[in-house]
Amino acid sequence: KAGVTQTPRYLIKTRGQQVTLSCSPISGHRSVSWYQQTPGQGLQFLFEYFSETQRNKGNFPGRFSGRQFSNSRSEMNVSTLELGDSALYLCASSPGSRGPNEKLFFGSGTQLSVL
Amino acid sequence: GENVEQHPSTLSVQEGDSAVIKCTYSDSASNYFPWYKQELGKRPQLIIDIRSNVGEKKDQRIAVTLNKTAKHFSLHITETQPEDSAVYFCAAGRTGANNLFFGTGTRLTVIP
Repeated sequence: KAGVTQTPRYLIKTRGQQVTLSCSPISGHRSVSWYQQTPGQGLQFLFEYFSETQRNKGNFPGRFSGRQFSNSRSEMNVSTLELGDSALYLCASSPGSRGPNEKLFFGSGTQLSVL
Repeated sequence: GENVEQHPSTLSVQEGDSAVIKCTYSDSASNYFPWYKQELGKRPQLIIDIRSNVGEKKDQRIAVTLNKTAKHFSLHITETQPEDSAVYFCAAGRTGANNLFFGTGTRLTVIP
């Protein structure tokens, strides 16, 4: 099976712009979660989508939004970019059934730099 | 909400020695504790996980222990090898929930 695919791998934007990141989960996985990784902060949960619905949300401002399509692919959008949004954005997929053996599989991430 | 603390932030060991990384969590409802390894420039990968109904789990050179009463869990790597060098993250969450709470990571360096 192909792994979790994120595009693009790198992005450079300027303050005030908006950006859209894409994530294709492992085939058959219906849940996609997004995390922000910054040095010294670890990974922080943004939101999770399952069957095109946001199922869980972290503590990020409304500038961060997402959506999921019928094929389970997900996009994350950040509007009005700030310097502090520079980070590695990781998505993770799982089957979504919330069973006891469910694990998260991460993509390689999109490195966003805001200048 | 859940708060996960991880120590140490950096750890250097000689090849063949053991490495121990410790984490504490705050939410008594958390019952799932995975550990991820992230090599430089690569994605985090699950290396082992433990659920709150067990106190210890082993997988070859890796073991994880959980003390639910004290709300702490630890990763033990024995007979370390240079390829164990990476950043290790602990996390806590509830079974089946995908909003894991991560520690800030431990950079492990194994010196040949």
